[in-house]
Amino acid sequence: NAGVMQNPRHLVRRRGQEARLRCSPMKGHSHVYWYRQLPEEGLKFMVYLQKENIIDESGMPKERFSAEFPKEGPSILRIQQVVRGDSAAYFCASSPTTGASYEQYFGPGTRLTVT
Amino acid sequence: TQLLEQSPQFLSIQEGENLTVYCNSSSVFSSLQWYRQEPGEGPVLLVTVVTGGEVKKLKRLTFQFGDARKDSSLHITAAQPGDTGLYLCAGEPAGANSKLTFGKGITLSVRP
Repeated sequence: NAGVMQNPRHLVRRRGQEARLRCSPMKGHSHVYWYRQLPEEGLKFMVYLQKENIIDESGMPKERFSAEFPKEGPSILRIQQVVRGDSAAYFCASSPTTGASYEQYFGPGTRLTVT
Repeated sequence: TQLLEQSPQFLSIQEGENLTVYCNSSSVFSSLQWYRQEPGEGPVLLVTVVTGGEVKKLKRLTFQFGDARKDSSLHITAAQPGDTGLYLCAGEPAGANSKLTFGKGITLSVRP
């Protein structure tokens, strides 16, 4: 049973470019969460999605950041016009459709570096 | 904002020693998870506790949820070098919709 998959694992972007991070949840999971981890800081919640719906985006910066989880395909976290402060590890997690929805399983992360 | 404070922040011990680390908050959580994270990887779920006073064991690791569901502890018996890593606690605040709040983590180093 494959775990949560994220790609790319490493992404380098110049200031002003766009970054697209992909996440495929575990089989049987329809809840997806994105978190950001900065050096010396804990993981910070960004957004919670179910298929075709954004449930909670209270942790997302108001500008330049967007997320989607389409009916088909992976969840995408999109960062437009990246700045150096966006450099961080971005983790996706998924939880079961039924039952213990609070148990979140994490992917390996995408490490974004903005030069 | 619900905060989770983990202590100690860093811990370096000799192989074979026992240790206890803590995760504390002034807020109530519906559930609390412990994760372990290796450098360059994502957090790996170790355990979930949901009932106040609950104790769960995972081999040499013992997890306890406080009676009031505001704090948790992790006890490791006879630590081994393979236990080295970053230990994160995360809580689902009462009334929230699965949004986890994370502590900053405890960096454990077990020397052979």
